[in-house]
Amino acid sequence: EIVLTQSPGTLSLSPGERATLSCRASQSVSSSYLAWYQQKPGQAPRLLISGAASRATGIPDRFSGSGSGTDFTLTISRLEPEDFAVYYCQQYGRSPITFGQGTRLEIK
Amino acid sequence: EVQLVESGGGLVQPGGSLRLSCAASGFIFSSFEMNWVRQAPGKGLEWVSYISSSGSTIYYADSVKGRFTISRDNAKNSLYLQMNSLRAEDTAIYYCARVPRGYYDRSGYYHDEWYFDLWGRGTLVTVSS
Repeated sequence: EIVLTQSPGTLSLSPGERATLSCRASQSVSSSYLAWYQQKPGQAPRLLISGAASRATGIPDRFSGSGSGTDFTLTISRLEPEDFAVYYCQQYGRSPITFGQGTRLEIK
Repeated sequence: EVQLVESGGGLVQPGGSLRLSCAASGFIFSSFEMNWVRQAPGKGLEWVSYISSSGSTIYYADSVKGRFTISRDNAKNSLYLQMNSLRAEDTAIYYCARVPRGYYDRSGYYHDEWYFDLWGRGTLVTVSS
């Protein structure tokens, strides 16, 4: 199975700053079938990005995804207070579907 | 409103059984592939099982194969997960999650992308004596 490793484990930033989250795959993810989710405490995950770079409906344009092959990035251009949460990447290019372990984005 | 609502979670002893349900509303349930995804307390997400829109194709994670059974009733807009021989490591919040509909690109290639565009709020399963 494809193992996804997210870094850093925890990212401490202030509102207004730029956040860069990394997701590295143990094998190439075919067709850039990589998604990103945001999860807040007590809530279900919310889809942010699919196909490595396509924003889901209703997701603000401060969220952007990039990458291909084994290296993918989620960038939040200017952090809003509501962006502090845990972020997960997921690959769906090869069975079984796998998720990264998550990056916690916390307020500095 | 487009939503998924899980139910059926609770406390069960090791070796016991539980049946989870997921009620869909606000969309044509029979047109969508569905999944169960779980999250152990304080941990990350783990895919559990997949079922096609008709129910004819099913997949399981190795960790639950032979113990869990996924099914659906399109007439009732419902998804199910029958969990048998439960273990402590099955303790988690169980989410039902929808896969978006596939599509054909300009080349005629069909894309069936298994990311999750709609999630329920989850139901907690605790396996403990």
